[in-house]
Amino acid sequence: DSGVTQTPKHLITATGQRVTLRCSPRSGDLSVYWYQQSLDQGLQFLIQYYNGEERAKGNILERFSAQQFPDLHSELNLSSLELGDSALYFCASRPGEGTDTQYFGPGTRLTVL
Amino acid sequence: TQLLEQSPQFLSIQEGENLTVYCNSSSVFSSLQWYRQEPGEGPVLLVTVVTGGEVKKLKRLTFQFGDARKDSSLHITAAQPGDTGLYLCAGATNAGKSTFGDGTTLTVKP
Repeated sequence: DSGVTQTPKHLITATGQRVTLRCSPRSGDLSVYWYQQSLDQGLQFLIQYYNGEERAKGNILERFSAQQFPDLHSELNLSSLELGDSALYFCASRPGEGTDTQYFGPGTRLTVL
Repeated sequence: TQLLEQSPQFLSIQEGENLTVYCNSSSVFSSLQWYRQEPGEGPVLLVTVVTGGEVKKLKRLTFQFGDARKDSSLHITAAQPGDTGLYLCAGATNAGKSTFGDGTTLTVKP
């Protein structure tokens, strides 16, 4: 158990809909990262937050957005969903500025029908 | 854009065999992590290497960071079916950004 929690574990929805994925980092970790992993693809970095502020952006679509709240949990919002958005979405947290190690949550499997 | 290339992409071996997977880049990293991921689950950290030339051992797994901090290797001795999984390397920069390779899918047959 990495200490990072993600909900829900599975999500099935239809094209055009909007969903919210939730992540709680390890206790005390200020950084949260979001990744997308599609079938036969590696981890694609989406976005990073540090202590409530956006720190870095990767290949995140304009239909996607995220935020980190004062209690450090984070949410990833996916809207106008398309079939190609079906994937595993992982959240990871990093202990602090002095380490590069990330601890991953169990992921949310999103299926868009 | 920093790219990490992992090779081989797929590896299928018999129990008891040895193997090495590679992670290469033209970029210098402040550190490099190796993760193992099982289907449908999140990556689990195996090791972090920081110093050029560093070698770390974790039971039957040996990790090496290249002298120039651009590449790394993972060697598994006497592989077991429980070693089956996706092995990912990730290189980190001083800016705190990590780049992941596409992974090596290892299958160890009993």
